[in-house]
Amino acid sequence: QVQLKESGPGLVQPSQTLSLTCTVSGFSLTSYNVHWVRQPPGKGLEWMGRMRYNGDTSYNSALKSRLSISRDTSKNQVFLKMNSLQTDDTGTYYCTRDTYTTDYYLFAYWGQGTLVTVSS
Amino acid sequence: EIVLTQSPVSITASQGEKVTITCRASSSISSNYLHWYQQKAGSYPKLLIYRTSILASGFPDSFSGSGSDTSYTLTISCMQDEVAASYYCQQGSSSPPTFGSGTKLEIK
Repeated sequence: QVQLKESGPGLVQPSQTLSLTCTVSGFSLTSYNVHWVRQPPGKGLEWMGRMRYNGDTSYNSALKSRLSISRDTSKNQVFLKMNSLQTDDTGTYYCTRDTYTTDYYLFAYWGQGTLVTVSS
Repeated sequence: EIVLTQSPVSITASQGEKVTITCRASSSISSNYLHWYQQKAGSYPKLLIYRTSILASGFPDSFSGSGSDTSYTLTISCMQDEVAASYYCQQGSSSPPTFGSGTKLEIK
């Protein structure tokens, strides 16, 4: 079955770089798009960006200057790197898979999420 | 960017009561690209309704969705303990995909 799992450090210092990994199973990264969505504590959901099945990336313009998404198809992993972290980057980070093999932005499959706290 | 405005922000309903949540878009969206998610505390968002009105697997038919253009609605026909959660609309009509700010539904 389709599974996604986020991993990474729970605590990051201000101004440092966040590195997260989304490990997937049950589907191929060369067939489906994987997205990153985040949620500050007690707040709503924000789409961050996506890795397309063909390797193309797309980013939320509000984060584009700080964000990079890459992948390793041999390891079934998608990576998120975001620099210059501030306290308002604290939140739960999810990876999610598009339901269809196109940019439909319909998220039926989610990881459990990983909580990232930005604090010194 | 399409902004989705949900109302109400929060609602408290009694057992058996009907609940309606509204999602308004800043510009027109095809009904094929408007979806709803349910999120319970400490859990990830779960796809509840897609393409405006199609119920996702595992959810009871007490949930329904409708709407078109810039106005969409999620209806819960009968409030029960297990539907207490936060609900988010989301549009996939144009990039970036955006979510509504959420509606927190609590039981009285």
